[in-house]
Formats: sequence, structure tokens, C-alpha cells
Amino acid sequence: AQRVTQPEKLLSVFKGAPVELKCNYSYSGSPELFWYVQYSRQRLQLLLRHISRESIKGFTADLNKGETSFHLKKPFAQEEDSAMYYCALISTSGTYKYIFGTGTRLKVLA
Amino acid sequence: DAGVTQSPTHLIKTRGQHVTLRCSPISGHKSVSWYQQVLGQGPQFIFQYYEKEERGRGNFPDRFSARQFPNYSSELNVNALLLGDSALYLCASSLGGIFETQYFGPGTRLLVL
Repeated sequence: AQRVTQPEKLLSVFKGAPVELKCNYSYSGSPELFWYVQYSRQRLQLLLRHISRESIKGFTADLNKGETSFHLKKPFAQEEDSAMYYCALISTSGTYKYIFGTGTRLKVLA
Repeated sequence: DAGVTQSPTHLIKTRGQHVTLRCSPISGHKSVSWYQQVLGQGPQFIFQYYEKEERGRGNFPDRFSARQFPNYSSELNVNALLLGDSALYLCASSLGGIFETQYFGPGTRLLVL
């Protein structure tokens, strides 16, 4: 079954510390993966996508097909990074659909 | 542009009733997707419409239906409401391609009593 797993509901780090938000997926084929972010009292928005390979707000994510992972990383966390983060993939096998993980809340402590 | 708009913002219904939720996409966007987000969970994909045709469907019962109008706005209909349908319903619009960036609305919070 196609699935996105985010094992941590909450991740707390101190400002300036490295951050890694974990995402593992189950999908037969070549997945298209995304990270979405929702800041407090704001709408869900795209943070970055696998296919563009760009760094947004200092975040990067590398697709590891061997480990079926797409972890989100940032070398130095900032307080404004505190938010809810969702990993997602697009399934194009059979009927097309988006699959989201359950999300990880990141708290960056001063 | 106000971005994606949804109405109503909040809604209370009782079991067995029917509900219609509305979404207006960003100007120029031709695709609309609907999601259900239960508290503590990630968004669950319900439908995507593109150029008034259903292009994608999640694992939801036939009680859930949607349509897209010529102006690209969309309605999500849910019949025979159950307590478990209580959730935040999100709409997202995109230019059209499957891998285009989705822009989310603020959501409609539905409570079924």
C-alpha cells in the first residue's frame, strides 16, 4: 500500500541546532515527494519538492530510494521555523492522488 | 488576489444531513483539490478536478461527491453525514498540471452532532 510515515509527532530543538524531520514512504515506482509547512494561524503551503531540488528557507531534502526516505534537513534552526511539517507524495499508479503523512510539529526553543 | 477562498468558515450539522462546501480558486487556476483533515492527522485527499473533469480520487465513500463549474469554482457535497465526518475540509487550487504547486485555502470546519 502507498503510505507516507512521519514517525515523530513532535520535535524540539534549540535555536542554532541542526534539524532533521523524518519521512519514509512506501510506493512502487518513482515517487514525486513534497514537504508542506503550516505556520501558526497560516495556511498550508508548499515548502519544497523533490523534482526541483532547491533549498527553501535553508531547508533541503534528499530522496534516498534505497531507504525509501525523504528527510527534511536544516543545519541551523531558527525560531521562525517552528511550525507543522507534512511530507507528501503523488501517487500516479491507478487513479492519481496525493498522500500526506501525519505531520511533525517542530518547536525551536530560544 | 485573496488566494483560495472557502465558504462557509464553520458549519454545524446533525447526523444524516447533507452539506455543501464551496471553494473559489486563485484566478487563472484550473484545478481544484479537496482534502479532509481530522484533528491530529494529515490531510486526506478526496478529489481533484481539472477543467471540470474528475482527475483524481481518494478512498472515500460514495457519500462524498464534488463538481467543478465553468468558472473553475468547486463544490464538495457530503450526504448522510456521520459523526466521523467532523473535520477541517481544505480546498487547494493549482494551475493544472499534476505536479503544479497547490495553494491551500483556510478550510471549512465541519462539526457533525
